Amino acid sequence: GAGVSQSPRYKVAKRGQDVALRCDPISGHVSLFWYQQALGQGPEFLTYFQNEAQLDKSGLPSDRFFAERPEGSVSTLKIQRTQQEDSAVYLCASSLVGPDTVGTQYFGPGTRLLVL
Amino acid sequence: AQSVTQLGSHVSVSEGALVLLRCNYSSSVPPYLFWYVQYPNQGLQLLLKYTSAATLVKGINGFEAEFKKSETSFHLTKPSAHMSDAAEYFCAASGGTYKYIFGTGTRLKVLA
Repeated sequence: GAGVSQSPRYKVAKRGQDVALRCDPISGHVSLFWYQQALGQGPEFLTYFQNEAQLDKSGLPSDRFFAERPEGSVSTLKIQRTQQEDSAVYLCASSLVGPDTVGTQYFGPGTRLLVL
Repeated sequence: AQSVTQLGSHVSVSEGALVLLRCNYSSSVPPYLFWYVQYPNQGLQLLLKYTSAATLVKGINGFEAEFKKSETSFHLTKPSAHMSDAAEYFCAASGGTYKYIFGTGTRLKVLA
């Protein structure tokens, strides 16, 4: 079946603009994750959804970052009033299992955000 | 708190030579450990994972890793490097729940 898809693949925004990044997880996957990967770094956890419930948003760097997954499938990560330090690759991952089990996370190709 | 350390941000090997990428973890609970590979402009692809079964784990593309509790290590190896192995490799750990902690990555260069 299809893997995790993300759109857009590339996004250039002017400082102060709002952006929305989309993630389509693997069908039937309960868990969905967002990560931020700065240049030359490993992915850093942003937030976690179990179905439509956002169970963990401890990694969101500021209140300008907001994520939702209203129907337990597609998710959107929104960044308001973008800043240059928001420039990074945003990765989405999904997993078949819930929060109390260590499942394999399957990653999308990422959205590369550049804030000018 | 968990942490993952990858020694060597860049590793170069000759084609056909042994590949050794190092990963050490710190964890207060028995960890689950993963190696992912990332090719340019692509997402992360799982190479292998350790989930407290056999300590020697075999993955895709000829890679394997050995869990050594006494050394808190989970190093990735491949007997013979191929040009197509050039990529960035990430080690990740989980303490038994959904959250992964990633290392900073090792970029592997394969020389002809």
